[in-house]
Amino acid sequence: AQKITQTQPGMFVQEKEAVTLDCTYDTSDQSYGLFWYKQPSSGEMIFLIYQGSYDEQNATEGRYSLNFQKARKSANLVISASQLGDSAMYFCAMREGLDEYGNKLVFGAGTILRVKS
Amino acid sequence: EAQVTQNPRYLITVTGKKLTVTCSQNMNHEYMSWYRQDPGLGLRQIYYSMNVEVTDKGDVPEGYKVSRKEKRNFPLILESPSPNQTSLYFCASSLLGRLTSSYNSPLHFGNGTRLTVT
Repeated sequence: AQKITQTQPGMFVQEKEAVTLDCTYDTSDQSYGLFWYKQPSSGEMIFLIYQGSYDEQNATEGRYSLNFQKARKSANLVISASQLGDSAMYFCAMREGLDEYGNKLVFGAGTILRVKS
Repeated sequence: EAQVTQNPRYLITVTGKKLTVTCSQNMNHEYMSWYRQDPGLGLRQIYYSMNVEVTDKGDVPEGYKVSRKEKRNFPLILESPSPNQTSLYFCASSLLGRLTSSYNSPLHFGNGTRLTVT
C-alpha cells in the first residue's frame, strides 16, 4: 500500500491566488513527521515545511502552511498569494520508524504546480 | 556554506561500464542516504548509512553499492549499469537521533545527478 498519496498529478493556479496541494498518508505509528519539499525545474530539492504528529498547531512558514488533519491522515500544503516562482514539483514525505530506519523519508509521487500570470 | 555536493551533475554511460557518483557533506551529519527519482514514483531510497562503516539497504538497492569509510563521504557505485538505472539520483544527509525531537530534522539534498545508461 502507498504510504504517501498525492492525488493531483498537476495543478494550475492564477498568480496571487491561494492553492492547496493534497497529501494523504498511511501509518500505524503514533510518532511521525510530515514534510513538504519543492523541486523547481533546476532539479534541487528545497525543504519547505514540517509537521509533527504531536503538534497541535498547523505549521506555517511564510506563505506556506500545512493543513494537518490527523484523524483523516491528511497533510495538505497551502500556498497563499501564489507567485510565478512557485511553479515547481511539490513532494509530500513522511518520516516514521526513527529507531529502525534512521532519518528515512518516504515520498509521494509529487504534484506539478503551474502558476499562471 | 553548509551543503551536500554531488558529482557529476550529468552522466551518460553505456551498459556494463562501472561508474561512481560521489557525495560529500560538510555539516558533520551522521546520516546519509541515496535516492532515485523517477516520473510517477517520487523519490525512492536506495541505500542509507547511519554512521561510518554502517550501511543498509533501502527500498530499491538492486544493482547498487555504497561505502562509508569517512563521515563526510558516501559514494554510490554502479558496478554494471543497465538502462533501467537511468534516473535522477540524489544524495541526502541529516543529523541522526533516536529521539522524537529528531523527527523534525529535514534531509538536506545535493543538487542531483542525472544518469543516462544506453
